[in-house]
Amino acid sequence: QVQLVESGGGVAQPGRSLRLSCAASGFTFRNYGMHWVRQAPGKGLEWVAVIWYDGSKKYYADSVKGRFTISRDNSKNTLDLQMNSLRADDTAVYYCVRDVVNSGCRYFDLWGRGTLVTVSS
Amino acid sequence: DIQMTQSPSSVSASVGDRVTITCRATQGIRSWLAWYQQKPGKAPKLLIYAASSLQSGVPSRFSGSGSGTDFTLTISSLQAEDFATYYCQQANSLSPVLTFGGGTKVEIK
Repeated sequence: QVQLVESGGGVAQPGRSLRLSCAASGFTFRNYGMHWVRQAPGKGLEWVAVIWYDGSKKYYADSVKGRFTISRDNSKNTLDLQMNSLRADDTAVYYCVRDVVNSGCRYFDLWGRGTLVTVSS
Repeated sequence: DIQMTQSPSSVSASVGDRVTITCRATQGIRSWLAWYQQKPGKAPKLLIYAASSLQSGVPSRFSGSGSGTDFTLTISSLQAEDFATYYCQQANSLSPVLTFGGGTKVEIK
């Protein structure tokens, strides 16, 4: 079964850290770029970070640059997001997402169910 | 970075209505645009990619059009299961930053 399953969400105090993980199955993980996308309660979707299929390139949204680190282990089919110096506005559901490139278009064809991160004192 | 603006932010419609949602980019993105549907408590679902290509399994009542800076998503005959929030996303494979529009909520009239 082709799927992405996130874990690691929970409650963290401002300034603390949390690590999210995503387990991929049912497809050749090492062939795909992977992203984290988040959604604050009642708000829209916000792209957070991307890692190239081989881990060679990583990019971040300005809102998380310098605080979050995306990584992957292609031998274990896992994607991680290390979140440091958490702030209240990082509170959101975090989705692990697979991308596909077709005719110059990069889009998200597979989403996990998401994991909720709440930053509160 | 390219910004995406959707309109309207919400629309009230009845089953059977034709619904059109627009998305505008701050600079030309050719046909590099995707549309997603999200229902409450669920992950988004891909509907359209490359502005007008229907994702496998998506009903043909959904269609997309446009290029450059202006795009539309049309639902030809709204069904009960289509009440949801729709997002556009600039999808330029040359850009690592993939921006979403603010969303359009399709509500029951």
